[in-house]
Amino acid sequence: EMVMTQSPATLSVSPGQRATLSCRASESVYSHLAWYQQKPGQAPRLLIYDASTRATGVPARFSGSGSGTEFTLTISSLQSEDFAVYYCQQYNNWWTFGQGTKVEIK
Amino acid sequence: EVQLVETGGGLIQPGGSLRLSCAASGFTVSSNFMSWVRQAPGKGLEWVSVIYRDGTSTYYADSVKGRFTISRDNSKNTLYLQMNSLSAEDTAVYYCARGWRSAITPLDYWGQGTLVTVSS
Repeated sequence: EMVMTQSPATLSVSPGQRATLSCRASESVYSHLAWYQQKPGQAPRLLIYDASTRATGVPARFSGSGSGTEFTLTISSLQSEDFAVYYCQQYNNWWTFGQGTKVEIK
Repeated sequence: EVQLVETGGGLIQPGGSLRLSCAASGFTVSSNFMSWVRQAPGKGLEWVSVIYRDGTSTYYADSVKGRFTISRDNSKNTLYLQMNSLSAEDTAVYYCARGWRSAITPLDYWGQGTLVTVSS
């Protein structure tokens, strides 16, 4: 069973600062890894796919990296609209989500 | 403009059945891999089911296998999820989502979700 583990569970960051979120897969997913942003009461929004490709309309301050089992989402300079929950998802073997990282205002 | 609109959620008693619908516009459901994903209150995301482009290949999470059935109506450009033998553990917001590539695909468009509450 594929397990995706995100860390930390909660990240407190000041506006304008950098945020780094981690995601680990229990087995290799190659580059078949996506990141989603979800705000309260809204559906998830695709940010990054294939580990490092930004989806249409996603600002350049969002970047993804990694392959195999270790992945990172970086938000270079947090804006007010970026405070949300972020999920990683592997789609190499069906679809499995991490438990989420909440990015909150420090 | 791509849009997905789910309907059919509501309050249902344990053991009951419910059918969710997801009406698509701006693209053709049959040309994509369509999934259902759910989110229990205050919890994370759980993939539930997928239907492939061929319309006959369908797959399910172990948690719903044998109880849920995914299908689509090409003439209505609509995706469905038939849910039987519901229990409290099925209480969640149910989203439909599009996978635009092959079977190895992320989900690029999501509906707004419909809430299913299983309770007596």
